[in-house]
Amino acid sequence: DAGVIQSPRHEVTEMGQEVTLRCKPISGHNSLFWYRQTMMRGLELLIYFNNNVPIDDSGMPEDRFSAKMPNASFSTLKIQPSEPRDSAVYFCASSPGQTGYEQYFGPGTRLTVT
Amino acid sequence: DQQVKQNSPSLSVQEGRISILNCDYTNSMFDYFLWYKKYPAEGPTFLISISSIKDKNEDGRFTVFLNKSAKHLSLHIVPSQPGDSAVYFCAAGWGSQGNLIFGKGTKLSVKP
Repeated sequence: DAGVIQSPRHEVTEMGQEVTLRCKPISGHNSLFWYRQTMMRGLELLIYFNNNVPIDDSGMPEDRFSAKMPNASFSTLKIQPSEPRDSAVYFCASSPGQTGYEQYFGPGTRLTVT
Repeated sequence: DQQVKQNSPSLSVQEGRISILNCDYTNSMFDYFLWYKKYPAEGPTFLISISSIKDKNEDGRFTVFLNKSAKHLSLHIVPSQPGDSAVYFCAAGWGSQGNLIFGKGTKLSVKP
């Protein structure tokens, strides 16, 4: 049974470039979450979707960040333009939704912006 | 304004002994608490949870205790094993949407 799939696993880009992170949630899960992990701030929720609809994006740091979920099996997190301070590990997680709070995390994307 | 706090960044325990990881929270609206374990280069994995209507939940070597009056929960691992060495995150949620607030984690090292 496949877990949450994220791509790419590693991304190195130059400042000013556009970055797109991808996530495939577990089939049948209704909720999808994007997190960012840094040493200073720990694991921060950026945005989450319920049934493909964005519910809370208050954690998105700036307008440079955007997220979409065009269907139940795919979501993207885009940073444009990227800056060095965006360097972090970005996790996607999915949850069955109303049946519980357990979230299942993907392996993460390590983003380095030089 | 951290709502979920793990005040110990690290903990070292001898194999076979008890590991106790602590977590404090400030929001009395939280009604569900979870512990996650994270190995390097992997995503966090769900370990154990507890509802606010309970004060204890046990799963094998792992037990979570909840003290609502103190807004405190703890994770006990008995006996500790070297494979338990990881970063442990405490998380809390409320309402029906399912979003969680995470602590900053405690790095557990279990020495053989």
